[in-house]
Amino acid sequence: DAKTTQPPSMDCAEGRAANLPCNHSTISGNEYVYWYRQIHSQGPQYIIHGLKNNETNEMASLIITEDRKSSTLILPHATLRDTAVYYCIVRERNDMRFGAGTRLTVKP
Amino acid sequence: GAVVSQHPSWVICKSGTSVKIECRSLDFQATTMFWYRQFPKQSLMLMATSNEGSKATYEQGVEKDKFLINHASLTLSTLTVTSAHPEDSSFYICTPDRGDSGGYTFGSGTRLTVV
Repeated sequence: DAKTTQPPSMDCAEGRAANLPCNHSTISGNEYVYWYRQIHSQGPQYIIHGLKNNETNEMASLIITEDRKSSTLILPHATLRDTAVYYCIVRERNDMRFGAGTRLTVKP
Repeated sequence: GAVVSQHPSWVICKSGTSVKIECRSLDFQATTMFWYRQFPKQSLMLMATSNEGSKATYEQGVEKDKFLINHASLTLSTLTVTSAHPEDSSFYICTPDRGDSGGYTFGSGTRLTVV
């Protein structure tokens, strides 16, 4: 079973920031938080990951709360191509176990 | 990230036949490969973990005799769906284990339709 909870769906206006929340209240000290997204009929795409510090790359920013029980993925300027299902995963052992994710719809 | 090639991207087969799906790690020696399947409108479910040179480990509820996994080299893992039935129709996806904390690169997936 996935160790994360995400809202099933969200909408975002094109050009605005998309903030996707994730709860992982049972995360343990050495577990990372990963974010992937899946565009229809494609394999998942890695976005970003972090342990306890906030992270930023060319795709997104990851904000992890100090107690590590939740995190937020931020897409700073969402485009229509960012419409996808976004998965927040707490890594157990070596494998990635996916929850239901959040379906983000970016609207013009 | 790693470069992963999955083949075929889609396949249609008749009930009772077998289908082989290949997953190649093109720039990375993968001792472990993860296989997932995804039914329509559902999330990815881990099916099995293939290990180079040894037997694969299967998740609960996945029939090892039906989903044969071979990981004969560090760059190739194959999943064979034997005696396929319409309920096996799904999207099958692989990813090699990097062995570190980095993000995984997934194959582009294989859409299997059994008629």
